[in-house]
Amino acid sequence: DTEVTQTPKHLVMGMTNKKSLKCEQHMGHRAMYWYKQKAKKPPELMFVYSYEKLSINESVPSRFSPECPNSSLLNLHLHALQPEDSALYLCASSQDRRTGVYGYTFGSGTRLTVV
Amino acid sequence: GQNIDQPTEMTATEGAIVQINCTYQTSGFNGLFWYQQHAGEAPTFLSYNVLDGLEEKGRFSSFLSRSKGYSYLLLKELQMKDSASYLCAVQTPAAGNKLTFGGGTRVLVKP
Repeated sequence: DTEVTQTPKHLVMGMTNKKSLKCEQHMGHRAMYWYKQKAKKPPELMFVYSYEKLSINESVPSRFSPECPNSSLLNLHLHALQPEDSALYLCASSQDRRTGVYGYTFGSGTRLTVV
Repeated sequence: GQNIDQPTEMTATEGAIVQINCTYQTSGFNGLFWYQQHAGEAPTFLSYNVLDGLEEKGRFSSFLSRSKGYSYLLLKELQMKDSASYLCAVQTPAAGNKLTFGGGTRVLVKP
C-alpha cells in the first residue's frame, strides 16, 4: 500500500459545526503533515507530527486541532471555522522528517467549504 | 527566512520542451523536490536533487546548482496531459526538515 487516504473528499460545514478530517497511511511512515492550499497558491504547512508527537505548529488558529491517535492515523478537528478557511486540506506522510529521496506522499485532499 | 521563486505561468506547444526555473535562498539545504499538481488534485512527486547535477527520468529532468541556489525542471516532448502546476520545494534542517514550497508554475500546453 503506497497511498495516503483522506476522508471525506468534500465537506460543507456551517460556522457553528464541529467536523473532523481523517488521514490514513500504511507505509510505516513516522512523519505526517497537514497542509492548507487555497486556489492557485502553493500548499502551506499547518502541522507536523513526528513519531506521533506534534513537532511543528505553524501558528495555526485554535479552531484547527490536530490529533495523531497512532502511527497510521492523523485527524484534523474543526470547530467554529470562518468562510476564509475554505480550502483544499492536504495530508502527507514521509519516512521520517528527513523524508528520504521520495519526499512526501500526499493524499488526494479534502475540499472544505465553510458557509 | 525561506525564499523560493519560480515563474507564475508558462505556455508551450505540444511536442516542445519547457524549462521551469526555481531559485532559492534558505537557511540550510537538505534537498530540492519537484512536484506536479493538476487542478483540484494532490501534488505528485516528480524528482529529487540533493547533489549538483542533472537527474533524468524519462521525459522529465531536473538540475541543481547548490552554489547558485538554482534548479530547473525540464519537460520534453510535451503532452496535453502535462498541463498542470509544477511546484519547487526545498527541505531545510533549520526549519525542522519541513518542505517549503515555491509559488508554483502553471504550465499550459497548447495543441
